[in-house]
Amino acid sequence: EPEVTQTPSHQVTQMGQEVILRCVPISNHLYFYWYRQILGQKVEFLVSFYNNEISEKSEIFDDQFSVERPDGSNFTLKIRSTKLEDSAMYFCASSRTSGRPGELFFGEGSRLTVL
Amino acid sequence: KNEVEQSPQNLTAQEGEFITINCSYSVGISALHWLQQHPGGGIVSLFMLSSGKKKHGRLIATINIQEKHSSLHITASHPRDSAVYICAVPTDSWGKLQFGAGTQVVVTP
Repeated sequence: EPEVTQTPSHQVTQMGQEVILRCVPISNHLYFYWYRQILGQKVEFLVSFYNNEISEKSEIFDDQFSVERPDGSNFTLKIRSTKLEDSAMYFCASSRTSGRPGELFFGEGSRLTVL
Repeated sequence: KNEVEQSPQNLTAQEGEFITINCSYSVGISALHWLQQHPGGGIVSLFMLSSGKKKHGRLIATINIQEKHSSLHITASHPRDSAVYICAVPTDSWGKLQFGAGTQVVVTP
């Protein structure tokens, strides 16, 4: 069964460092998303991406964050200068359609720890 | 802001029991997701429904759009059903989800 894969599964970094989280969505999917979950809190929407550009982003997704699809398969989330409060589990998801209810497929998550 | 409220927050059941988790939301939407979060943290989509009822194995999800309420039922619960169950509703677009806080389910043998 096709799946969304994320790497790394866990990354530890020092405050101020740049981090890139990688996702390989399901191959025929067109819509891509990043969510995050701070420990003990709800999952939160960060950004949606379609046709090589951001469709929507939340207030959390400030200038420190960026996303791109550098090739036909990877979808990356970059945090330029990490802060302690960026420590969270980051989930990538993809779906085939957006114009009507589309099932979302989630990756296993990347746990980011900022020291 | 689309508030998504789940109840109960925690639930412990004995193996074989019938489990119900409820989700209410404050604005009208056209679909709702039920997700399962493993103890390791990964998320799996269980259902996406916009009306009526869906069944997959021992899991049943229902939604009442007019009452803005959905339920997830687990029949003949098993210890492997132990997980956090999360409902999520689209806000401005299908992928821009607002998530509930989750219901921690523990099924004991």
